Amino acid sequence: TQLLEQSPQFLSIQEGENLTVYCNSSSVFSSLQWYRQEPGEGPVLLVTVVTGGEVKKLKRLTFQFGDARKDSSLHITAAQPGDTGLYLCAGGGRDDKIIFGKGTRLHILP
Amino acid sequence: EAGVTQFPSHSVIEKGQTVTLRCDPISGHDNLYWYRRVMGKEIKFLLHFVKESKQDESGMPNNRFLAERTGGTYSTLKVQPAELEDSGVYFCASSQMRARTGELFFGEGSRLTVL
Repeated sequence: TQLLEQSPQFLSIQEGENLTVYCNSSSVFSSLQWYRQEPGEGPVLLVTVVTGGEVKKLKRLTFQFGDARKDSSLHITAAQPGDTGLYLCAGGGRDDKIIFGKGTRLHILP
Repeated sequence: EAGVTQFPSHSVIEKGQTVTLRCDPISGHDNLYWYRRVMGKEIKFLLHFVKESKQDESGMPNNRFLAERTGGTYSTLKVQPAELEDSGVYFCASSQMRARTGELFFGEGSRLTVL
């Protein structure tokens, strides 16, 4: 069974600080996606990485796919209160079932 | 362009009753997925339609769950009879491409509470 472990589960930091969220698995994924979910809404895709070692940047967010395609990280530089939310990593395997992690709930204090 | 819409947003029923959840995908999206999040757990795959055909229903918990997508447009997910452990948020998502490479567009979810 493919599993994605996210850490930390909860993170509360001050505005302006940097943070990194991790997504780890013992399984290889063909792609790794990061979603953000707001209360009362569905997840919204932030990025998809498909190549081992790939790095993608989205403004202050940097996403990296591990060389072995088993793990990923999300780094936020100079966090802002607007970054508050639930961040989910999701892996795509050989079939079309996307496997989700439990998520990291991020709270940025002004 | 309208996004994925789900109805109802919240349903409260008693154990043993029947509930039908509806999902209207983005127009033109052949791929439609149902997911469920039970409190404290991760979002889990239930099933995948390509047009009106069930591509993969390996995530359906048991035969109390029935999903349909007649005509390849909207989809319904019926739970009959509902049990306490069915409580959770049911998400529908649609995409043009296959999920592992394309973008999944999620609806806001239907929260089901079984008392």
